[in-house]
Amino acid sequence: QKEVEQNSGPLSVPEGAIASLNCTYSDRVSQSFFWYRQYSGKSPELIMSIYSNGDKEDGRFTAQLNKASQYVSLLIRDSQPSDSATYLCAVTGGTSYGKLTFGQGTILTVHP
Amino acid sequence: EPEVTQTPSHQVTQMGQEVILRCVPISNHLYFYWYRQILGQKVEFLVSFYNNEISEKSEIFDDQFSVERPDGSNFTLKIRSTKLEDSAMYFCAGRTGATEAFFGQGTRLTVV
Repeated sequence: QKEVEQNSGPLSVPEGAIASLNCTYSDRVSQSFFWYRQYSGKSPELIMSIYSNGDKEDGRFTAQLNKASQYVSLLIRDSQPSDSATYLCAVTGGTSYGKLTFGQGTILTVHP
Repeated sequence: EPEVTQTPSHQVTQMGQEVILRCVPISNHLYFYWYRQILGQKVEFLVSFYNNEISEKSEIFDDQFSVERPDGSNFTLKIRSTKLEDSAMYFCAGRTGATEAFFGQGTRLTVV
Protein backbone atom coordinates (compact mmCIF):
# COMPACT_ATOMS: atom_id res chain seq x y z
CA GLN A 1 0.00 0.00 0.00
CA LYS A 2 1.56 3.26 -1.09
CA GLU A 3 1.47 5.85 1.66
CA VAL A 4 2.20 9.52 1.80
CA GLU A 5 2.55 10.96 5.26
CA GLN A 6 2.35 14.56 6.37
CA ASN A 7 2.15 16.22 9.74
CA SER A 8 -1.45 17.43 9.83
CA GLY A 9 -0.53 20.45 11.93
CA PRO A 10 -1.81 23.01 12.34
CA LEU A 11 1.42 24.84 11.65
CA SER A 12 1.28 28.44 12.75
CA VAL A 13 3.89 30.98 11.67
CA PRO A 14 4.04 34.77 11.89
CA GLU A 15 3.79 36.88 8.78
CA GLY A 16 7.16 37.21 7.07
CA ALA A 17 8.56 33.99 8.53
CA ILE A 18 9.58 30.82 6.72
CA ALA A 19 7.05 27.99 6.78
CA SER A 20 8.48 24.49 6.45
CA LEU A 21 6.23 21.63 5.37
CA ASN A 22 7.36 18.03 5.27
CA CYS A 23 6.25 14.84 3.58
CA THR A 24 7.48 11.26 3.48
CA TYR A 25 6.45 8.53 1.08
CA SER A 26 6.70 4.79 1.25
CA ASP A 27 6.98 3.68 -2.38
CA ARG A 28 10.59 3.78 -3.54
CA VAL A 29 9.59 3.76 -7.22
CA SER A 30 7.73 7.05 -6.86
CA GLN A 31 8.91 9.33 -9.63
CA SER A 32 7.11 12.64 -9.45
CA PHE A 33 6.34 14.81 -6.48
CA PHE A 34 3.91 17.67 -6.15
CA TRP A 35 2.75 20.24 -3.69
CA TYR A 36 -0.82 21.45 -3.96
CA ARG A 37 -2.50 24.19 -1.97
CA GLN A 38 -6.13 23.75 -1.00
CA TYR A 39 -8.31 26.45 0.47
CA SER A 40 -11.33 25.32 2.43
CA GLY A 41 -14.06 24.03 0.12
CA LYS A 42 -11.92 24.50 -2.97
CA SER A 43 -9.99 22.21 -5.29
CA PRO A 44 -6.25 21.48 -5.06
CA GLU A 45 -4.13 24.10 -6.81
CA LEU A 46 -0.69 23.09 -8.04
CA ILE A 47 2.16 25.06 -6.48
CA MET A 48 5.29 23.08 -7.23
CA SER A 49 6.46 19.94 -8.94
CA ILE A 50 9.83 18.28 -8.47
CA TYR A 51 11.24 15.23 -10.19
CA SER A 52 14.91 14.95 -9.25
CA ASN A 53 16.92 15.17 -6.07
CA GLY A 54 17.79 18.62 -4.82
CA ASP A 55 16.07 21.96 -4.61
CA LYS A 56 13.70 23.70 -6.98
CA GLU A 57 12.79 27.32 -6.43
CA ASP A 58 9.83 29.27 -7.77
CA GLY A 59 9.33 32.71 -6.30
CA ARG A 60 8.76 32.38 -2.55
CA PHE A 61 8.46 28.60 -2.78
CA THR A 62 11.26 26.04 -2.66
CA ALA A 63 10.66 22.31 -3.00
CA GLN A 64 13.30 19.89 -1.80
CA LEU A 65 13.51 16.21 -2.70
CA ASN A 66 15.65 13.49 -1.18
CA LYS A 67 14.83 10.16 -2.80
CA ALA A 68 17.26 8.20 -0.64
CA SER A 69 15.39 9.34 2.46
CA GLN A 70 12.00 9.27 0.66
CA TYR A 71 11.42 12.80 1.81
CA VAL A 72 10.07 15.89 0.12
CA SER A 73 9.57 19.31 1.65
CA LEU A 74 8.20 22.73 0.82
CA LEU A 75 9.57 25.99 2.15
CA ILE A 76 7.52 29.15 1.92
CA ARG A 77 9.57 32.29 2.45
CA ASP A 78 8.12 35.60 3.58
CA SER A 79 4.85 33.90 4.53
CA GLN A 80 1.70 35.93 3.98
CA PRO A 81 -1.75 35.57 5.58
CA SER A 82 -3.01 34.60 2.10
CA ASP A 83 -0.75 31.52 2.31
CA SER A 84 -3.01 30.17 5.06
CA ALA A 85 -4.41 26.96 3.59
CA THR A 86 -3.96 23.20 3.63
CA TYR A 87 -0.88 22.03 1.75
CA LEU A 88 -1.13 18.64 0.10
CA CYS A 89 1.84 16.50 -0.81
CA ALA A 90 1.20 14.11 -3.71
CA VAL A 91 3.31 11.52 -5.50
CA THR A 92 3.02 9.40 -8.61
CA GLY A 93 4.58 6.00 -9.23
CA GLY A 94 6.28 4.55 -12.27
CA THR A 95 3.42 2.54 -13.74
CA SER A 96 0.36 4.28 -12.39
CA TYR A 97 -0.70 6.37 -15.42
CA GLY A 98 -0.07 9.47 -13.37
CA LYS A 99 -2.35 8.55 -10.50
CA LEU A 100 -1.71 10.87 -7.58
CA THR A 101 -1.45 9.52 -4.05
CA PHE A 102 -2.08 12.32 -1.57
CA GLY A 103 -1.07 12.87 1.99
CA GLN A 104 -3.65 14.07 4.46
CA GLY A 105 -2.38 17.62 4.20
CA THR A 106 -0.82 20.12 6.58
CA ILE A 107 -2.90 23.06 7.74
CA LEU A 108 -0.83 26.25 7.65
CA THR A 109 -1.92 29.41 9.42
CA VAL A 110 0.04 32.62 8.88
CA HIS A 111 -0.89 35.21 11.49
CA PRO A 112 -0.27 38.95 11.06
CA GLU B 1 -5.83 30.56 -19.28
CA PRO B 2 -7.65 27.30 -20.03
CA GLU B 3 -8.96 25.35 -17.07
CA VAL B 4 -10.79 22.18 -16.23
CA THR B 5 -14.49 22.90 -15.81
CA GLN B 6 -16.88 20.84 -13.70
CA THR B 7 -20.65 20.91 -13.49
CA PRO B 8 -22.68 21.15 -11.38
CA SER B 9 -20.85 22.86 -8.54
CA HIS B 10 -23.27 21.35 -6.03
CA GLN B 11 -25.63 18.41 -6.42
CA VAL B 12 -28.12 17.23 -3.84
CA THR B 13 -29.66 13.84 -4.49
CA GLN B 14 -31.73 11.28 -2.65
CA MET B 15 -30.21 7.99 -1.63
CA GLY B 16 -30.61 5.41 -4.35
CA GLN B 17 -30.78 7.93 -7.17
CA GLU B 18 -28.34 8.09 -10.07
CA VAL B 19 -26.10 11.10 -10.51
CA ILE B 20 -23.85 12.17 -13.33
CA LEU B 21 -20.99 14.54 -12.69
CA ARG B 22 -19.53 16.31 -15.69
CA CYS B 23 -16.09 17.61 -16.53
CA VAL B 24 -14.67 19.43 -19.53
CA PRO B 25 -10.91 18.93 -19.54
CA ILE B 26 -8.42 21.22 -21.23
CA SER B 27 -8.38 20.36 -24.92
CA ASN B 28 -4.84 19.01 -25.11
CA HIS B 29 -5.14 16.79 -22.06
CA LEU B 30 -4.70 13.09 -22.71
CA TYR B 31 -5.11 11.58 -19.26
CA PHE B 32 -8.21 12.13 -17.16
CA TYR B 33 -8.93 11.36 -13.57
CA TRP B 34 -11.64 11.44 -10.95
CA TYR B 35 -10.78 11.95 -7.30
CA ARG B 36 -12.99 12.40 -4.30
CA GLN B 37 -12.55 14.02 -0.92
CA ILE B 38 -14.85 13.22 1.94
CA LEU B 39 -15.13 16.17 4.33
CA GLY B 40 -12.07 16.35 6.55
CA GLN B 41 -10.30 13.49 4.81
CA LYS B 42 -7.57 13.14 2.21
CA VAL B 43 -8.05 13.36 -1.53
CA GLU B 44 -8.56 9.81 -2.85
CA PHE B 45 -8.02 8.48 -6.34
CA LEU B 46 -11.03 6.88 -8.02
CA VAL B 47 -10.17 6.20 -11.64
CA SER B 48 -7.88 7.15 -14.50
CA PHE B 49 -8.91 7.22 -18.15
CA TYR B 50 -6.65 7.17 -21.17
CA ASN B 51 -7.22 6.44 -24.83
CA ASN B 52 -10.95 6.08 -24.23
CA GLU B 53 -10.70 3.39 -21.62
CA ILE B 54 -10.10 2.97 -17.92
CA SER B 55 -6.38 2.59 -17.27
CA GLU B 56 -6.55 2.17 -13.50
CA LYS B 57 -9.20 2.21 -10.78
CA SER B 58 -9.18 2.08 -7.02
CA GLU B 59 -11.11 -0.28 -4.79
CA ILE B 60 -13.54 2.57 -4.16
CA PHE B 61 -14.53 2.49 -7.83
CA ASP B 62 -16.91 -0.46 -7.67
CA ASP B 63 -19.76 -1.49 -9.95
CA GLN B 64 -21.81 1.52 -8.85
CA PHE B 65 -19.37 3.82 -10.62
CA SER B 66 -18.73 4.30 -14.31
CA VAL B 67 -16.92 6.81 -16.48
CA GLU B 68 -17.13 7.73 -20.10
CA ARG B 69 -16.05 10.35 -22.58
CA PRO B 70 -18.96 10.20 -24.97
CA ASP B 71 -18.17 13.05 -27.35
CA GLY B 72 -14.44 13.59 -27.11
CA SER B 73 -14.79 16.58 -24.82
CA ASN B 74 -16.99 15.88 -21.80
CA PHE B 75 -15.73 13.37 -19.24
CA THR B 76 -18.42 12.03 -16.94
CA LEU B 77 -18.61 10.11 -13.70
CA LYS B 78 -21.84 8.25 -13.04
CA ILE B 79 -22.91 6.85 -9.71
CA ARG B 80 -25.81 4.46 -10.30
CA SER B 81 -27.38 4.19 -6.89
CA THR B 82 -26.04 6.75 -4.47
CA LYS B 83 -25.39 5.99 -0.84
CA LEU B 84 -25.04 8.38 2.07
CA GLU B 85 -21.31 7.64 2.16
CA ASP B 86 -20.93 8.89 -1.42
CA SER B 87 -21.34 12.42 -0.10
CA ALA B 88 -18.05 14.14 -0.89
CA MET B 89 -16.31 16.62 -3.13
CA TYR B 90 -15.57 15.06 -6.51
CA PHE B 91 -12.69 16.46 -8.51
CA CYS B 92 -11.89 15.91 -12.15
CA ALA B 93 -8.28 16.32 -13.23
CA GLY B 94 -6.41 16.16 -16.49
CA ARG B 95 -2.91 16.30 -17.83
CA THR B 96 -0.92 15.98 -21.00
CA GLY B 97 1.64 13.23 -21.26
CA ALA B 98 4.39 14.84 -19.28
CA THR B 99 2.91 17.57 -17.16
CA GLU B 100 1.33 18.01 -13.84
CA ALA B 101 -2.34 17.30 -13.24
CA PHE B 102 -4.71 20.25 -13.08
CA PHE B 103 -7.92 20.02 -11.14
CA GLY B 104 -11.37 21.32 -11.81
CA GLN B 105 -13.16 23.34 -9.16
CA GLY B 106 -15.04 20.27 -7.95
CA THR B 107 -18.63 19.13 -7.47
CA ARG B 108 -19.99 18.88 -3.98
CA LEU B 109 -22.29 15.87 -3.87
CA THR B 110 -24.71 15.63 -0.98
CA VAL B 111 -26.74 12.44 -0.63
CA VAL B 112 -29.76 12.73 1.65
